[in-house]
Amino acid sequence: DAGITQSPRHKVTETGTPVTLRCHQTENHRYMYWYRQDPGHGLRLIHYSYGVKDTDKGEVSDGYSVSRSKTEDFLLTLESATSSQTSVYFCAISDGTIISYEQYFGPGTRLTVT
Amino acid sequence: AQSVTQLGSHVSVSEGALVLLRCNYSSSVPPYLFWYVQYPNQGLQLLLKYTTGATLVKGINGFEAEFKKSETSFHLTKPSAHMSDAAEYFCAVSDQSTGNQFYFGTGTSLTVIP
Repeated sequence: DAGITQSPRHKVTETGTPVTLRCHQTENHRYMYWYRQDPGHGLRLIHYSYGVKDTDKGEVSDGYSVSRSKTEDFLLTLESATSSQTSVYFCAISDGTIISYEQYFGPGTRLTVT
Repeated sequence: AQSVTQLGSHVSVSEGALVLLRCNYSSSVPPYLFWYVQYPNQGLQLLLKYTTGATLVKGINGFEAEFKKSETSFHLTKPSAHMSDAAEYFCAVSDQSTGNQFYFGTGTSLTVIP
């Protein structure tokens, strides 16, 4: 299994509070991604990174920010959590080469905003 | 822009019967195609992929899929369903023009009836 960990694995927070989710990889892969998974929507890309300090927006980036100061860590921040951000969040990594183009996923973080 | 359609959000098969999960994609350039499986409370695991070469690809757990360009399809099959195949299955499309972004379908939940 690819070395990807996410922390915390579960979190309950109140509306309006800031929340930071962490993704850590030990594979030295260039690309890292944050997705959210909601029933009926599959996985939707929030933000992704193609290198240290290089990030870009995905399909559902409003209300989220990211940072990548080291190859191994990719942080997702909800500046002011809302109930619509209750979801399961997955981190994924990829080295992006044609031989190994696939993404590998972490175990997920279940976030509940009350 | 890429997109994926998975026909049938829920599929039920009897144990030992053929499994067929449908995936159609939209892409303006030659696609890279993937099938992932997700077991309850886990992350996504790669089943198989098509990037180049042979259009019939074999994956783990006895699954295979065939890339049909003329039909823009990448259906997943398994000759004989096992109880352990019960899970959520996601089809995804990407290509080299999208910055390694993946676009996922909304998923198909497979139930295996004993």
